[in-house]
Amino acid sequence: AQSVTQLDSQVPVFEEAPVELRCNYSSSVSVYLFWYVQYPNQGLQLLLKYLSGSTLVKGINGFEAEFNKSQTSFHLRKPSVHISDTAEYFCAVTAAGGGADGLTFGKGTHLIIQP
Amino acid sequence: SQTIHQWPATLVQPVGSPLSLECTVEGTSNPNLYWYRQAAGRGLQLLFYSVGIGQISSEVPQNLSASRPQDRQFILSSKKLLLSDSGFYLCACHLGAGAYNEQFFGPGTRLTVL
Repeated sequence: AQSVTQLDSQVPVFEEAPVELRCNYSSSVSVYLFWYVQYPNQGLQLLLKYLSGSTLVKGINGFEAEFNKSQTSFHLRKPSVHISDTAEYFCAVTAAGGGADGLTFGKGTHLIIQP
Repeated sequence: SQTIHQWPATLVQPVGSPLSLECTVEGTSNPNLYWYRQAAGRGLQLLFYSVGIGQISSEVPQNLSASRPQDRQFILSSKKLLLSDSGFYLCACHLGAGAYNEQFFGPGTRLTVL
């Protein structure tokens, strides 16, 4: 079984400042990792994913994340945030190679962009 | 491209009443389908998944059940709702292997049990 920890429930950031949202996972097997964004009262939209290969993954809306196996982390970063980035961000994990396995999510981080 | 429809979008039900939430998928065949619940302050929890018609796996014991009567239809049900069933219910499908290995989510149903 896998677990995900998002240590920060809320992260306030000024507009145009950089941001990092932290995600740590636990698993006894190799994993795939995902970041999703959720805008109010909407479903989840995939930002980026790590399946294999390069540990630095680039996603939509200028976000990127780095897979660190030794630290069991997959932190999400953006060099300059915009008001429209205000949303809930979820880190998720699943066992690598598992086609039917569902995702295990962290509790989410609310990114609050201040003007 | 895939599209997931969920209805109703919002629902307010009294305790003890039955429930039926529907999810249908377009643009893919024989998908793996999932029901998640998002409760306040608790993130998303996997409730059920299905790899084919009539095949349902439950992740946690609960007051809910799921059925898959058709390839692209996934239904979440309850005979008697509890207050703790309130939440945001999301249907998802697995898009496949390789570079497309990811889950795609529907718009969700907001359920309030009073």
